[in-house]
Amino acid sequence: DSGVTQTPKHLITATGQRVTLRCSPRSGDLSVYWYQQSLDQGLQFLIQYYNGEERAKGNILERFSAQQFPDLHSELNLSSLELGDSALYFCASSVGPSLADTQYFGPGTRLTVL
Amino acid sequence: DQQVKQNSPSLSVQEGRISILNCDYTNSMFDYFLWYKKYPAEGPTFLISISSIKDKNEDGRFTVFLNKSAKHLSLHIVPSQPGDSAVYFCAAKYNQGGKLIFGQGTELSVKP
Repeated sequence: DSGVTQTPKHLITATGQRVTLRCSPRSGDLSVYWYQQSLDQGLQFLIQYYNGEERAKGNILERFSAQQFPDLHSELNLSSLELGDSALYFCASSVGPSLADTQYFGPGTRLTVL
Repeated sequence: DQQVKQNSPSLSVQEGRISILNCDYTNSMFDYFLWYKKYPAEGPTFLISISSIKDKNEDGRFTVFLNKSAKHLSLHIVPSQPGDSAVYFCAAKYNQGGKLIFGQGTELSVKP
C-alpha cells in the first residue's frame, strides 16, 4: 500500500458524459501527478500540481482539467468523453517537485467509455 | 517520439538466476532514472533509482546500472524469485520538472 488513494476504482460511462476522478496523496506529500495508461500509449504524464498550483502539463487534452485543493487532494475532470478516453488513470504523489523526490502511485481508476 | 525504450516486451527466467531488464533513452537531458514494478490491477511500485552522476546503485537484490555514453540502463535482479513476476517500467526525469517519462514495460516471468 503506497498510501495514495484513488476513487472510484472502476467507472463505466457513456460517450459525451463527464466524470471526476479523485486522489488523496500520501500524508505529507505536496506534489500530485496524474498519468494515463492506455493500451497503445503506455503510461503518459498528464499534469502536475505542487501545493495547490499547477506546475507542469503534459499531453493533457483540453477536455480534461484538474485541480489540487487546499487539503492537497486532487481531482481530474474528464468531459465530453470519447471511446478513446477509456484507460487506467493513475495518481502519484511525492514530497516535493525535486529531482530525487520519489513518486508513489495509487491503485488507479479504470475508466470505460461505452 | 519514444524517448525511453524497453525493446523486450517479455523476459522469462528460472528461479534463482539473474534477471536483466534493459532500457534505452534518447534524450541526453535526462538527469534521473527510476525502475517501477507493476502487478495487474495495481499501481506502479517504486523499486530503485539512479542519478545521472552515478553509474551504479544497489538495493538488496536489485542493482541498476547506468551507461550515459550509450544512453542505456539496466536493472539486475539477483536471485530472481517467482514473486518478482510483474511488468517492469523504466522511467526518466529532467532536472527542472517532476514528470516521469516511461518506457513501454517488460513483462518478467520467473519460473519455479
